[in-house]
Amino acid sequence: GAVVSQHPSWVICKSGTSVKIECRSLDFQATTMFWYRQFPKQSLMLMATSNEGSKATYEQGVEKDKFLINHASLTLSTLTVTSAHPEDSSFYICSARGGVSRQNGYTFGSGTRLTVV
Amino acid sequence: RKEVEQDPGPFNVPEGATVAFNCTYSNSASQSFFWYRQDCRKEPKLLMSVYSSGNEDGRFTAQLNRASQYISLLIRDSKLSDSATYLCVVNIYDKVIFGPGTSLSVIP
Repeated sequence: GAVVSQHPSWVICKSGTSVKIECRSLDFQATTMFWYRQFPKQSLMLMATSNEGSKATYEQGVEKDKFLINHASLTLSTLTVTSAHPEDSSFYICSARGGVSRQNGYTFGSGTRLTVV
Repeated sequence: RKEVEQDPGPFNVPEGATVAFNCTYSNSASQSFFWYRQDCRKEPKLLMSVYSSGNEDGRFTAQLNRASQYISLLIRDSKLSDSATYLCVVNIYDKVIFGPGTSLSVIP
């Protein structure tokens, strides 16, 4: 089946540093990827939509200069959390449309648990 | 009003019970609909797509009512392994919106 590989699975970083999260579609081309954030006991909140070769579209309230998204190829999108602070600690997850063609659903990466100390 | 709303739960049911989850969405332009399940600290997994004609996959039945902007999921003969959070997901202009989820615990 289709796979979206997300790395790293978890990361602990110091406040003020930047963290890059990668998502790769392994056996299909993902022209669009979605980035979500999930706080404990809450649902996934869409942060931005990443389109290959163009600028990402950010949801209201999400700082584009803080959460840098790059989608340079059809199989790779990255999210960089710049100058991370403890309140950025969360579960970040990407998804891409396709790969579950029969059900027309979305394939998710395994998520990245970010802890900023 | 939130774009996608679900029963707040949690639902605690005995094994073998039938349980139904409800979901409503606010944007009539919504194009496609899904149910996902999410286990604790894991990524969501697609359970099934939802169609107006209704669709069934084993013990799971999903239904869409576009006029009422309402989606349902019925689980029959609940198993312990069904314990998870069930997420109603709506696709609008290629943007994917998740409901807040309903937690299900199936008790032996």
